[in-house]
Amino acid sequence: GDSVTQMEGPVTLSEEAFLTINCTYTATGYPSLFWYVQYPGEGLQLLLKATKADDKGSNKGFEATYRKETTSFHLEKGSVQVSDSAVYFCALSSMFSGGYNKLIFGAGTRLAVHP
Amino acid sequence: GAVVSQHPSWVICKSGTSVKIECRSLDFQATTMFWYRQFPKQSLMLMATSNEGSKATYEQGVEKDKFLINHASLTLSTLTVTSAHPEDSSFYICSARDSGLSTDTQYFGPGTRLTVL
Repeated sequence: GDSVTQMEGPVTLSEEAFLTINCTYTATGYPSLFWYVQYPGEGLQLLLKATKADDKGSNKGFEATYRKETTSFHLEKGSVQVSDSAVYFCALSSMFSGGYNKLIFGAGTRLAVHP
Repeated sequence: GAVVSQHPSWVICKSGTSVKIECRSLDFQATTMFWYRQFPKQSLMLMATSNEGSKATYEQGVEKDKFLINHASLTLSTLTVTSAHPEDSSFYICSARDSGLSTDTQYFGPGTRLTVL
C-alpha cells in the first residue's frame, strides 16, 4: 500500500543553519504531497503542498519539490530560526474507493533550533 | 480562518467507562471530517472518515463498535471511545475538509490526549 518514510529526528540545528528533512514515498497512483508542521501545543498546520511532478511548494522560506523519479519530497530551508522548532510531517494524499482522498503520514521529524 | 477545535484537550478516565471527544470546524462547513490516532513518536494513523448525515467509513482493523463516530451537523463530529481500556490511551486528532473548497487540504484540530487508568 501507499506509504511515507521520513528521516528520524530529532534534528538539532543552530539558528541560521540550513535545514533538510528527507521524505520519500511509495504510491501506486499520482498522489499530492504535503508537509505539515505541528508547533508545541497546537494542531497540525499545512506548510506547503505539491500536486504533480516537478511542482515546488513553498511557504515561510520552506521549499519542497515533487520528484517523481526519486519518489521524494524533501523539505528545505536556507536559514532556520528558533521559531521553526516544531514537528514536521510529510504526507501524501491518495484517492481511495468511494471517491475521497485520505492522507497517509510519515512518522514526523522533530526539529529543535538553538540560538 | 479554517480553525478546527477539539474538546476536551485531555481526559483521564477509568477502565470500562466511555469517553466522548468533540471536533468542531469553527469558521467553515465540513461535510467530511477525519479521525486519527497517534502513538508516541509514531505517525498519525487514520481511524475513520466521518461524513455528515451518513455512517462513518472505518479503516481496516478499527473496531466500529468501540469507536463510535457521529457527524450530525456540518460543523461537528464526535468520537466516542466505548468501554475504554488502557490500550486505548493515545492522542486522538481530528481534521476537517472545507466543503466550500475544491481541494484535498485538511485542517487539523489540536488533538485530545486520552489516558485510561
